[in-house]
Amino acid sequence: DGGITQSPKYLFRKEGQNVTLSCEQNLNHDAMYWYRQDPGQGLRLIYYSQIVNDFQKGDIAEGYSVSREKKESFPLTVTSAQKNPTAFYLCATSRLGANYGYTFGSGTRLTVV
Amino acid sequence: GENVEQHPSTLSVQEGDSAVIKCTYSDSASNYFPWYKQELGKGPQLIIDIRSNVGEKKDQRIAVTLNKTAKHFSLHITETQPEDSAVYFCAASLNFNKFYFGSGTKLNVKP
Repeated sequence: DGGITQSPKYLFRKEGQNVTLSCEQNLNHDAMYWYRQDPGQGLRLIYYSQIVNDFQKGDIAEGYSVSREKKESFPLTVTSAQKNPTAFYLCATSRLGANYGYTFGSGTRLTVV
Repeated sequence: GENVEQHPSTLSVQEGDSAVIKCTYSDSASNYFPWYKQELGKGPQLIIDIRSNVGEKKDQRIAVTLNKTAKHFSLHITETQPEDSAVYFCAASLNFNKFYFGSGTKLNVKP
């Protein structure tokens, strides 16, 4: 089945630690995105990538880093510099051009303990 | 950048009634407006979309209307059912598939 796999579903992090969230897709979509979701605030764009080895900052990139070494993979690292990392993180993909809609993964809930 | 506002934040209706969710956007260049449904603990799923060259689109019980002059678009759900209960997000696309999302509407359909 084609789709997006986000792992893990739940992640607990101690303060001061970096953690990496995985996003893998087999839809052959060029573009991949990371969004953060907080209650009552909708979805906010962290980073996006339209091509391998290239990515751009979104609206809230501070404290996060990404890589795009393969078309299928777009991991997100939440660094210790992120002041308030507890949130629901969503990965999405899309084809480029002509305004195709997103396909979302099922999300990773990150909690700082 | 684009700014999308969504109202209401919560909406409670009786089963069988209609529900309407409204969004406004700021950038007149936006030309694609999708709506997503998110169930608890899951990622959002596209339910309907509309492009700027169309004023209305229907898909069974769901419809979306777009007023480009006023820069607002709305989601209409008729004959609501309990399984329609979820959080609904609107979005506006400026270019290259970069979407700006509204803050979401929690719809509760009471049986």
